[in-house]
Amino acid sequence: SQQGEEDPQALSIQEGENATMNCSYKTSINNLQWYRQNSGRGLVHLILIRSNEREKHSGRLRVTLDTSKKSSSLLITASRAADTASYFCATDIGSLIQGAQKLVFGQGTRLTINP
Amino acid sequence: DAGVIQSPRHEVTEMGQEVTLRCKPISGHNSLFWYRQTMMRGLELLIYFNNNVPIDDSGMPEDRFSAKMPNASFSTLKIQPSEPRDSAVYFCASSLVRRTSEKLFFGSGTQLSVL
Repeated sequence: SQQGEEDPQALSIQEGENATMNCSYKTSINNLQWYRQNSGRGLVHLILIRSNEREKHSGRLRVTLDTSKKSSSLLITASRAADTASYFCATDIGSLIQGAQKLVFGQGTRLTINP
Repeated sequence: DAGVIQSPRHEVTEMGQEVTLRCKPISGHNSLFWYRQTMMRGLELLIYFNNNVPIDDSGMPEDRFSAKMPNASFSTLKIQPSEPRDSAVYFCASSLVRRTSEKLFFGSGTQLSVL
């Protein structure tokens, strides 16, 4: 079963509106990351939040992490047509003692921004 | 930096043939990951290496799949014999893991079609 699950599976909003995507996971994590994928392309890293952090900002992105609820959210403010893409959360459940990471991805949210 | 380089970009083969996918990670990175992406199963972690050593291959579907990392600058994923259900986009990613895990850099992927 998937470690991470995004909600909603698809989201369609008007340009300028804010977009919120949620992610839930099952096991303890080292950190949680959000990635973006444009159609037919590789994934691109957006933001990383560590297990001891609660909120992080990067430009128009805001990520929250609630380890007690095992959930995270990604907020994109003032959306643009160019933000249309699929967004994935990924949880790192690897053993840092081994010096390794194991990043497991959710199914993703398909975001469409209508001009 | 050229980023993670994967080859070939597209591969079309017939059932039963051997397929070899190649990956060159970013210079200096010590971790390498192979993922498979399909509509049905999403993004699956197949195997990951740390300092050229396979750490976790529990995601490898079956014995038909094998992966090697003979040195820090090259990895291969081999499928022998290939089957139609292996059709997917295969991504390679690399990262630099020290005391904490960091973001992954993805290649552009190999689109594999097994007829």
